[in-house]
Amino acid sequence: SAVISQKPSRDICQRGTSLTIQCQVDSQVTMMFWYRQQPGQSLTLIATANQGSEATYESGFVIDKFPISRPNLTFSTLTVSNMSPEDSSIYLCSVLRSSGANVLTFGAGSRLTVL
Amino acid sequence: QQQVKQSPQSLIVQKGGISIINCAYENTAFDYFPWYQQFPGKGPALLIAIRPDVSEKKEGRFTISFNKSAKQFSLHIMDSQPGDSATYFCAASRDTGRRALTFGSGTRLQVQP
Repeated sequence: SAVISQKPSRDICQRGTSLTIQCQVDSQVTMMFWYRQQPGQSLTLIATANQGSEATYESGFVIDKFPISRPNLTFSTLTVSNMSPEDSSIYLCSVLRSSGANVLTFGAGSRLTVL
Repeated sequence: QQQVKQSPQSLIVQKGGISIINCAYENTAFDYFPWYQQFPGKGPALLIAIRPDVSEKKEGRFTISFNKSAKQFSLHIMDSQPGDSATYFCAASRDTGRRALTFGSGTRLQVQP
């Protein structure tokens, strides 16, 4: 399966600031997704990162709050803008390989705490 | 997102026992049903998955049972071990196209020695 590196692994942020999370994959992948996992909760899909075009956002998530970039087939960023304590979560990058079985692989996640 | 309901929320099993986690889905267009295992501080990892053309899939101590008419599927962990203690998520998606997973709420399994 693909190896996914996420940075930062954790951060403590001040209210009102923005933070960008990076996701780097060791091989080209077809699909890249960003999920949010609030403490002790399940995973909720934020958006699909589309290469060279605007991301596809799920209901309840908007581009102004969670801008996403995907400049190529191995890299994506998620920005959490104008953060509030409610944004304290683990943000996970996940990818689907271009070939082979339908296996969604996750990074270790980025744990954000907003004070 | 279409809902996937998972139960129980938590489960305590003795070593050697059978752990059973259940899920139900609503969207009949779903045709891929994986189970993910997550340890603290780690991302979820695929454990086992099933497609609706079969009613059961077994990999080692892990078995998925699938009931298409009832729109339900379950994970059975045989001979549960302390190392199986983790959070388990069921999920569902289309097997084509975007294939974004919708996750259940998770089950925290604790296997006591």
